[in-house]
Amino acid sequence: NAGVTQTPKFRVLKTGQSMTLLCAQDMNHEYMYWYRQDPGMGLRLIHYSVGEGTTAKGEVPDGYNVSRLKKQNFLLGLESAAPSQTSVYFCASSSLFGGLEGYTFGSGTRLTVV
Amino acid sequence: AQSVTQLDSQVPVFEEAPVELRCNYSSSVSVYLFWYVQYPNQGLQLLLKYLSGSTLVESINGFEAEFNKSQTSFHLRKPSVHISDTAEYFCAVQKGSYIPTFGRGTSLIVHP
Repeated sequence: NAGVTQTPKFRVLKTGQSMTLLCAQDMNHEYMYWYRQDPGMGLRLIHYSVGEGTTAKGEVPDGYNVSRLKKQNFLLGLESAAPSQTSVYFCASSSLFGGLEGYTFGSGTRLTVV
Repeated sequence: AQSVTQLDSQVPVFEEAPVELRCNYSSSVSVYLFWYVQYPNQGLQLLLKYLSGSTLVESINGFEAEFNKSQTSFHLRKPSVHISDTAEYFCAVQKGSYIPTFGRGTSLIVHP
């Protein structure tokens, strides 16, 4: 049982390039979330999804897009990367909205934009 | 919106010493409270949570936290830490069915 798998684990982008981060969960969780983690800032919610085909904005959505075409996958896209998007990105999933039972997190994607 | 304050960004302690990581939140009628732990180069893992009932909750590895409604706090404690407890600890607060708000994290550094 893999839980939540994020790919890639590391990536370096040049300013203006685009990329997609993939999050896959095998727990049949309805709810999925994308967070970014920056030093001294904790975790900030980028986007989330309450089910297949639905997405919603979180606290810091600008510069990101998401899609949930399949229940098990939640994609995070950067259309035109900026240095301010250098961060560690975490995907999480839960069976209850907001993770009342506790989120299951992936191991993260470390993105550097130069 | 809820706010969460973790008062210490870094807490250095010696092995086998007690430790307390502080967490305060903005008041609300009812909240759910969580502590997550993040070991180096890993994702966050749920350490313990308070939903209702006994105000003292415990984890399997010796940590405990007490919900104090009057002081709006949920401090994390351990009577004797190990080197392996070195990690980042995040407090999170959830109001009802809303998405939780995370604190900025406290880095626990255990020295031999």
